Amino acid sequence: QVQLQESGPGLVKPSETLSLTCTVSGGSMTNFYWSWIRQPPGKGLQYIGQIYYSGSTNYYPSLKSRVTISVDTSKNQFSLQLRSVTAADTAVFYCARVTSRDSGLADAFDIWGQGTMVTVSS
Amino acid sequence: SYELTQPPSVSVSPGQTASIICSGDNLGNKYVCWYQQKPGQSPVLVIYQDSKRPSGIPERFSGSNSGNTATLTISGTQAMDEADYYCQAWDSSWVFGGGTKLTVL
Repeated sequence: QVQLQESGPGLVKPSETLSLTCTVSGGSMTNFYWSWIRQPPGKGLQYIGQIYYSGSTNYYPSLKSRVTISVDTSKNQFSLQLRSVTAADTAVFYCARVTSRDSGLADAFDIWGQGTMVTVSS
Repeated sequence: SYELTQPPSVSVSPGQTASIICSGDNLGNKYVCWYQQKPGQSPVLVIYQDSKRPSGIPERFSGSNSGNTATLTISGTQAMDEADYYCQAWDSSWVFGGGTKLTVL
């Protein structure tokens, strides 16, 4: 079955760029959206953004100026870059597969990675 | 920006029915998803398109959505259902509710 695995540094310095990759195994990226979500320690889920397999993106408004999500279907991977990080960006970062309805609109986050903890600290 | 509001906590006795609400402006005009998250684990989709259950989700989980309120209902609640539950909807981007901690006691 399809599995997602996040990878990247667990520690990032303030003002630098956080970079994570999600590797998709057991299935194709075609016809799905792919998303990043974060969860600060002890807090709720926050949507960061998503990318369609063909490359179109959507970002959470308050993060849009600092976020870039890209996809490489040849490697079955998609990536997150979050620039100019601060301690407030410390969180568990999840990647997830997003299904789509017949209309093509994004529908639900049906498969999640295990999550990776990223701490922003000098 | 669009907001989804959930009660921070809900308590239920084993075998009883738990209802978790999610409120938002004209939420009934949007599709709502619900996710279950147990401590130290990734979220799991339990309801999508207001009331549909993914494969493998027990029938005791059901959902509804009308007006400004969506509801996740767990019938015959079991100890294993104790978890945080998050609602989600789309409004130009995805929005999550703040989460509700369900305690089974």
